[in-house]
Amino acid sequence: IAGITQAPTSQILAAGRRMTLRCTQDMRHNAMYWYRQDLGLGLRLIHYSNTAGTTGKGEVPDGYSVSRANTDDFPLTLASAVPSQTSVYFCASSEQGGGNIDTQYFGPGTRLTVL
Amino acid sequence: GQNIDQPTEMTATEGAIVQINCTYQTSGFNGLFWYQQHAGEAPTFLSYNVLDGLEEKGRFSSFLSRSKGYSYLLLKELQMKDSASYLCAVMDSNYQLIWGAGTKLIIKP
Repeated sequence: IAGITQAPTSQILAAGRRMTLRCTQDMRHNAMYWYRQDLGLGLRLIHYSNTAGTTGKGEVPDGYSVSRANTDDFPLTLASAVPSQTSVYFCASSEQGGGNIDTQYFGPGTRLTVL
Repeated sequence: GQNIDQPTEMTATEGAIVQINCTYQTSGFNGLFWYQQHAGEAPTFLSYNVLDGLEEKGRFSSFLSRSKGYSYLLLKELQMKDSASYLCAVMDSNYQLIWGAGTKLIIKP
């Protein structure tokens, strides 16, 4: 069982380019999350999905979009990348989400550099 | 606003005990989580506290005082592999996790 996989592992991107970060989980978890982690700051929630077909905005959603067509996949898209989006991006999942208290499990992360 | 505070960095000696503190001010409280994150890796779950008191799990224990907005993670019999960042996170009234910036723990032989 792989758990959560993310792709790519790392990427260097020119400003203005479009980029999709992929996230797949095989645990049949209902809820999925995208965070960014920057030096000196805590993890910040970008978007989340409590179940397939629904998404919600987190603390820092501007410049990012997500979709949840099925249970397993939760891609994050940067429509037009800017240097301030340089960060490490973590995808996470939890069994229930949506008003339930449960543990989040994290993927290995994608290190993104926007020049 | 919501705020989670923890020390930026701590140093301890192999075999010793270290206590990592976390204070919080959040909109509502649905429990406090501790995660471990080795450099370049994903955070991994360590513990969850929702009631006051101490939860012990092997060499790691976590304490919570809701009235004081305070938690600590206690690591005993430190090993070199415990060198990592330790992240404190509170689940708020919207069931979203609010994260501290993490405490980098350096273990010296």
